[in-house]
Amino acid sequence: EAQVTQNPRYLITVTGKKLTVTCSQNMNHEYMSWYRQDPGLGLRQIYYSMNVEVTDKGDVPEGYKVSRKEKRNFPLILESPSPNQTSLYFCASTPNPTPPSGYTFGSGTRLTVV
Amino acid sequence: QKEVEQNSGPLSVPEGAIASLNCTYSDRGSQSFFWYRQYSGKSPELIMSIYSNGDKEDGRFTAQLNKASQYVSLLIRDSQPSDSATYLCAVIFKAAGNKLTFGGGTRVLVKP
Repeated sequence: EAQVTQNPRYLITVTGKKLTVTCSQNMNHEYMSWYRQDPGLGLRQIYYSMNVEVTDKGDVPEGYKVSRKEKRNFPLILESPSPNQTSLYFCASTPNPTPPSGYTFGSGTRLTVV
Repeated sequence: QKEVEQNSGPLSVPEGAIASLNCTYSDRGSQSFFWYRQYSGKSPELIMSIYSNGDKEDGRFTAQLNKASQYVSLLIRDSQPSDSATYLCAVIFKAAGNKLTFGGGTRVLVKP
């Protein structure tokens, strides 16, 4: 089944404790992206990657890191999480944004930082 | 100024009626437009894409695009309670490196 897999689905952590949210897709998509979703603010892009070893900042990259060592994986790293990073996170992928086609989203990771 | 604007709702429609959702966007050069459906706590699910002016129909859904007015809409015919969800309009802005930008979403409630 073609899908984007995120783990974990739920995570509660403490301020300052480094964490990684994994994202993997099995569709050979070139383009991958991370979004966070907050009430009243909608979906905002954190980072994106056009291909292996190519990443770039989105609208809200502060406090996050990413890497793209393999085509299928695009982990999101929070080196020192803070309570304002409490959010619902989605990973998404698409074959190639040019020409554009729809993005496939993972199931989401609900992160709480206390 | 928000780049993609939607009325947050809720838009309440009786079962069997037509739900009409609207979206405006700021980048006149945009070429690609999408509608996603999102149930509470779930991930967005692509339901329609549209690239050319005019209408595009897929089952009970019709997307309408007017690039001159920078306006895209979604019609849901014969609305069902299972259509109750938040509908997200998304636009790819060429000027921003083909980034997919979402509107805030319109919450739709279909009442039996």
